[in-house]
Amino acid sequence: RKEVEQDPGPFNVPEGATVAFNCTYSNSASQSFFWYRQDCRKEPKLLMSVYSSGNEDGRFTAQLNRASQYISLLIRDSKLSDSATYLCVVTGYSSASKIIFGSGTRLSIRP
Amino acid sequence: EPEVTQTPSHQVTQMGQEVILRCVPISNHLYFYWYRQILGQKVEFLVSFYNNEISEKSEIFDDQFSVERPDGSNFTLKIRSTKLEDSAMYFCASSEGGSLHNTEAFFGQGTRLTVV
Repeated sequence: RKEVEQDPGPFNVPEGATVAFNCTYSNSASQSFFWYRQDCRKEPKLLMSVYSSGNEDGRFTAQLNRASQYISLLIRDSKLSDSATYLCVVTGYSSASKIIFGSGTRLSIRP
Repeated sequence: EPEVTQTPSHQVTQMGQEVILRCVPISNHLYFYWYRQILGQKVEFLVSFYNNEISEKSEIFDDQFSVERPDGSNFTLKIRSTKLEDSAMYFCASSEGGSLHNTEAFFGQGTRLTVV
């Protein structure tokens, strides 16, 4: 089983739509969770951390379900500029351990 | 805003040659990472580094690879004898705390390595 698994997409949705991505992770000892965004041929950039209680940042909502080892990202009222690859990131098996990236979900917003 | 810088942005090398990829992490960060991304594929962990030693490395990080923090500011990745399959984008990252402290990793813009 992959350490971090994501639906690769692509998701192709119209502007203004709501879209949701899911991610599962295999190691129950994982401590920290993030969503990163990667534009074509650019470096990954942090979109948001994912907290146990769930958290929201503007149009973006992230949720964590430790029991199911599942993370989600919801984007409301999508914009053309949201087109990117969204990377689920899981860390924390041990101190200064590796940060594991999912393979990413490609999102394309059409006008 | 502080950032991670990487040089060069693009390196072309002949198969079998040694290359050194350079990174300057954010100055107060303590944890450093190298990742690679083959075109069209996922971001893959290579190595993490803390307190002047390797903390963890992946199976990709074999004897051909080494890392060094030679002068307290630079963090380098050396590939001793490059192979065609080493062609990829190499990202350096740093974070203030380790992964248990829930601090984000900041990534450099990457070095595109092309082995011919």
